[in-house]
Amino acid sequence: GQQLNQSPQSMFIQEGEDVSMNCTSSSIFNTWLWYKQDPGEGPVLLIALYKAGELTSNGRLTAQFGITRKDSFLNISASIPSDVGIYFCHYGGSNYKLTFGKGTLLTVNP
Amino acid sequence: DTGVSQDPRHKITKRGQNVTFRCDPISEHNRLYWYRQTLGQGPEFLTYFQNEAQLEKSRLLSDRFSAERPKGSFSTLEIQRTEQGDSAMYLCASSLATTGGSYEQYFGPGTRLTVT
Repeated sequence: GQQLNQSPQSMFIQEGEDVSMNCTSSSIFNTWLWYKQDPGEGPVLLIALYKAGELTSNGRLTAQFGITRKDSFLNISASIPSDVGIYFCHYGGSNYKLTFGKGTLLTVNP
Repeated sequence: DTGVSQDPRHKITKRGQNVTFRCDPISEHNRLYWYRQTLGQGPEFLTYFQNEAQLEKSRLLSDRFSAERPKGSFSTLEIQRTEQGDSAMYLCASSLATTGGSYEQYFGPGTRLTVT
């Protein structure tokens, strides 16, 4: 199946810093979804994007749907320790065989 | 709480045994998905249902795996003759399919399977 490429694979930051991560694909998508997963739990939906160029915020989180429809970005401002976890991007579409990206592991040092 | 629930949360079994997991989706959601996740990887799609119909199955879903959603509500995932390679987190998610799409999936807490 097609692959979603997430970068970076991991990040180590200090509390209070801003974070940026992205997801790219060779295919065009109509929807991008961002999830966060805590250890031993299921992913939790953070933000859904439905239109190319769309910029959507959820508290300290901001995500953008790339103009080319092949990428998306997630930014976290003023990180706090509870932001620790794995962030996954996921597409929205009819091809349910597509898997999630491998995720970006975020570590926040207090 | 009316989120997606899964039972059990943890299962330890011996190789060769059969196991069955249950998923209760969000009540108004008509689509239900099963994923498998191993350490360091994102969730891998296994299968999904729209109401009681199983519409798609991944090649990952070998003959030892079977899923049902008999009344279009809860779903079960059974693994027969478990192997050590089946050890993983099994995740269930649900969504509401509309004419505009059904992209926002809501996940349960997962069932962690360990095959010894």
